[in-house]
Amino acid sequence: VIWMTQSPSLLSASTGDRVTISCRMSQGISSYLAWYQQKPGKAPELLIYAASTLQSGVPSRFSGSGSGTDFTLTISCLQSEDFATYYCQQYYSFPFTFGPGTKVDIK
Amino acid sequence: QVQLQESGPGLVKPSETLSLTCTVSGYSISSGYYWGWIRQPPGKGLEWIGSIYHSGSTYYNPSLKSRVTISVDTSKNQFSLKLSSVTAADTAVYYCARDTKFSLDPRGFDPWGQGTLVTVSS
Repeated sequence: VIWMTQSPSLLSASTGDRVTISCRMSQGISSYLAWYQQKPGKAPELLIYAASTLQSGVPSRFSGSGSGTDFTLTISCLQSEDFATYYCQQYYSFPFTFGPGTKVDIK
Repeated sequence: QVQLQESGPGLVKPSETLSLTCTVSGYSISSGYYWGWIRQPPGKGLEWIGSIYHSGSTYYNPSLKSRVTISVDTSKNQFSLKLSSVTAADTAVYYCARDTKFSLDPRGFDPWGQGTLVTVSS
């Protein structure tokens, strides 16, 4: 099983801030990593896949980087609609696993 | 536009079997992709349960494998989840989603259904 950690678990930020979320794997996964955004009471939505490819329709202020064991999600200029919880997920090997999540809330 | 919708009882008694169905619209399950189930206990993170191909080929999370059965009905464009011997720990929002792992362009789970809360309680 590939274990995942995310940091921070809680991030307090203001509109306009640049925020960075880290996701680390217990073993290498090449670039088989996805990032999801989840708002309260809603299903997760795919933001980024293959570690750095933006899903169609996702604003360009979102970006992803990394490969192997260390990955990063960056929001370049935080908007009000970006306050949510973010999860990373590896789809390199079974069982698929998700990170514990990072909640981005208003400072 | 592909859409998924979960359905099934919202309350299940302990030791009984949880049964959910996911209906896919806008795409024929028989055309390809795997289709998966993911769950999220209230206030907690996401756990992949398992996935199925239209041929019936399945793969499951080992942590749940002994209690899980996922099946597909291509004539109804649906796939289903059964989880046996449930306890309060199985209380969660259950999501169905398209699993792109073995596609030409793997990208995780996309799209997702809206989710359905299943509570295990007597």
